[in-house]
Amino acid sequence: EAGVAQSPRYKIIEKRQSVAFWCNPISGHATLYWYQQILGQGPKLLIQFQNNGVVDDSQLPKDRFSAERLKGVDSTLKIQPAKLEDSAVYLCASSLTTGAFGYTFGSGTRLTVV
Amino acid sequence: KNEVEQSPQNLTAQEGEFITINCSYSVGISALHWLQQHPGGGIVSLFMLSSGKKKHGRLIATINIQEKHSSLHITASHPRDSAVYICAALTQGGSEKLVFGKGMKLTVNP
Repeated sequence: EAGVAQSPRYKIIEKRQSVAFWCNPISGHATLYWYQQILGQGPKLLIQFQNNGVVDDSQLPKDRFSAERLKGVDSTLKIQPAKLEDSAVYLCASSLTTGAFGYTFGSGTRLTVV
Repeated sequence: KNEVEQSPQNLTAQEGEFITINCSYSVGISALHWLQQHPGGGIVSLFMLSSGKKKHGRLIATINIQEKHSSLHITASHPRDSAVYICAALTQGGSEKLVFGKGMKLTVNP
């Protein structure tokens, strides 16, 4: 089966610019996650979707970050405006249901804000 | 204190050595994942454990639920094993979450 697809792989932007990341989960996976991984740290959950509804966005900086999962399939994560501290790898993952075994991660998008 | 702690944080080994990576957690879990992350960011799931021991090739993962501790062992290590190894606990309860350790960077020299 195809894996979790993410794009772009790399992005360099200036602070205060906007950026968007795209994720296509594994077909049939109802749960989709966006994680932020700062260098030297483990991934931190930003937002979790169950189908097209938000399950957990408690750690999403909502003043600048937004995410949507229209139609319960693809998802986009947007940062507007970006700050230097947003430099990180943004990982998308999916699983069949919430808390299910068998998380599958995408390759991530490495964002550098200069 | 993090809910999931890994040790050591960095490890350099020579090819062929037996390697052990440790993970301790303080939360109730329904499962524990061992993940491998190569430079470039992509994460691969190695094991998911809820009890006992699992083996895949040169990798062995064990978990002791009573002691809240898990280990990942690599036998006959190889330079291609160089990566960051992350332990992640799937918490129990109605709102299950994957809580990650900071990862351990392994470098295996030829």
